[in-house]
Amino acid sequence: GQQVMQIPQYQHVQEGEDFTTYCNSSTTLSNIQWYKQRPGGHPVFLIQLVKSGEVKKQKRLTFQFGEAKKNSSLHITATQTTDVGTYFCAVLTGNQFYFGTGTSLTVIP
Amino acid sequence: EAQVTQNPRYLITVTGKKLTVTCSQNMNHEYMSWYRQDPGLGLRQIYYSMNVEVTDKGDVPEGYKVSRKEKRNFPLILESPSPNQTSLYFCASSTAREQYFGPGTRLTVT
Repeated sequence: GQQVMQIPQYQHVQEGEDFTTYCNSSTTLSNIQWYKQRPGGHPVFLIQLVKSGEVKKQKRLTFQFGEAKKNSSLHITATQTTDVGTYFCAVLTGNQFYFGTGTSLTVIP
Repeated sequence: EAQVTQNPRYLITVTGKKLTVTCSQNMNHEYMSWYRQDPGLGLRQIYYSMNVEVTDKGDVPEGYKVSRKEKRNFPLILESPSPNQTSLYFCASSTAREQYFGPGTRLTVT
């Protein structure tokens, strides 16, 4: 099935530092979604990207879809303690969803 | 309020004792899924359903069954649970754009 590699697996940052997680695929993707899962919670949809080179912003979060549509990134500027959680990318291939393994973000106050 | 509900939230059972985890959504979505989440492996799709009476295997269907008799409900059935099915399970309901997840069911099989 579809493989989506996500790095890093863990990231510890000081509050105020930036954070980036990356998703990579060996095949061209039609779309990519990003989710956030707070500790003890369920995944919550953040955004979907569909266009080559697309960049979308949500406050301090910036999402990018690569020009070749094989990679994507989520960048958080000036992290806050409320950003703590695991961030997942997900792709829909055919009728199936495939998730990356997630990046767990710890923010040190 | 748009939501996906799952029951039970926590379950401890023994090997071989059949169990069902219920899932219900109130958003009239056609697409529904079941996932399991294990440390280091992310979320893996077990089964999905495109509509009533239409179900398909995901990446890890072995040991699981599902049914979709009504649009709103999508139960997950473990006919003979084994310890390797100890996991956190999520039901999800989807539009073409995003998935809405239930609160999760933590299952322990001893």
